[in-house]
Amino acid sequence: SQQGEEDPQALSIQEGENATMNCSYKTSINNLQWYRQNSGRGLVHLILIRSNEREKHSGRLRVTLDTSKKSSSLLITASRAADTASYFCATVSTGNQFYFGTGTSLTVIP
Amino acid sequence: DTAVSQTPKYLVTQMGNDKSIKCEQNLGHDTMYWYKQDSKKFLKIMFSYNNKELIINETVPNRFSPKSPDKAHLNLHINSLELGDSAVYFCASSQVTLGTGELFFGEGSRLTVL
Repeated sequence: SQQGEEDPQALSIQEGENATMNCSYKTSINNLQWYRQNSGRGLVHLILIRSNEREKHSGRLRVTLDTSKKSSSLLITASRAADTASYFCATVSTGNQFYFGTGTSLTVIP
Repeated sequence: DTAVSQTPKYLVTQMGNDKSIKCEQNLGHDTMYWYKQDSKKFLKIMFSYNNKELIINETVPNRFSPKSPDKAHLNLHINSLELGDSAVYFCASSQVTLGTGELFFGEGSRLTVL
């Protein structure tokens, strides 16, 4: 299977704390992307990191990529209640097929 | 203006019926996808399609068939519905360029088979 796996499956933190979620995958990739899904909604793209990049920032988001370990992490700093959602990583390989991880459900407690 | 729209949002039907879910994108993208999300939120790619190529996930039963009347539409037709087909189905689109591109998702169609 080309699906990734995310860890932890669920994460509960207090508002203002940082949230870190990890993604592991199995195949070589062109890029890796992170998406957010609010309850009952479609997925929304957050950030993309290319296979030749090691770290990327966007606002309160920081993504790292280690292609030797086939893993990525998403850090959300200074979390807010509105960050409560499920977060998915997606790997993109040749042929532009997007394979999603199993997701991390994040709950930020006000 | 909604970028990727799919209808219906909810669909309840009996086993054995045939149903379709429609998807339209107004982003001018060249590739469209169908994903199935199960009750554990596991997202599985079913099809991807551009005007040149249909890529079918080999695990998808042939009761499922994508139909694309034009570049902006990719509909999903399901024959002989089974209980296990109950899920949320997401349509998505992307503009495929070398090494980049992101998916734009519709809001999902929740299918319940009774």
